[in-house]
Amino acid sequence: QKEVEQNSGPLSVPEGAIASLNCTYSDRGSQSFFWYRQYSGKSPELIMSIYSNGDKEDGRFTAQLNKASQYVSLLIRDSQPSDSATYLCAVSGWDSSYKLIFGSGTRLLVRP
Amino acid sequence: NAGVMQNPRHLVRRRGQEARLRCSPMKGHSHVYWYRQLPEEGLKFMVYLQKENIIDESGMPKERFSAEFPKEGPSILRIQQVVRGDSAAYFCASSPVVETGASNTGELFFGEGSRLTVL
Repeated sequence: QKEVEQNSGPLSVPEGAIASLNCTYSDRGSQSFFWYRQYSGKSPELIMSIYSNGDKEDGRFTAQLNKASQYVSLLIRDSQPSDSATYLCAVSGWDSSYKLIFGSGTRLLVRP
Repeated sequence: NAGVMQNPRHLVRRRGQEARLRCSPMKGHSHVYWYRQLPEEGLKFMVYLQKENIIDESGMPKERFSAEFPKEGPSILRIQQVVRGDSAAYFCASSPVVETGASNTGELFFGEGSRLTVL
């Protein structure tokens, strides 16, 4: 079983729609959760971090965390073509907080 | 440019040669991390360094790979006797501080990566 699992996609949504990206993780000791965006050939860019159960909103982005279900998601409202990228879910544990375990990413395509 | 700087951006080596990848962290950051990304895969942790110290190298292959972060100068990831399976994108990241339980735990700033191709 992979430590962090994501659907590879592509997830295709029309412009203006809500894109929902999901991620599950296997280590119940995971403490910190991150969503990175990576454009093709570019570096990963942190867009959201979440540390406690519930929702965290930042602009058009909302991260949701459910530790009991070992599930974290990212919602992108009013999707734009510029949101088209690969979204990487990453988690870290309390004992090695610097060591991020990444999923393989979900490719999002926003159709104009 | 105050970001994480990596060079070279692209490197081509023949099997058996050595590859050296360099990384300068963001200004004010003293923690450096190297990750490897194979095609269609997520980033895999390799090593975590502070100045003159290797903190965690649990993700580094036992042979041919080494990393350093000297007191002066950039961090270096060195791959000796490269093989085709070493072809990948190698990303360096930095952070200002790593404290267990702190709100900034794990927030890394990545460089643009060095893409190694082994012929």
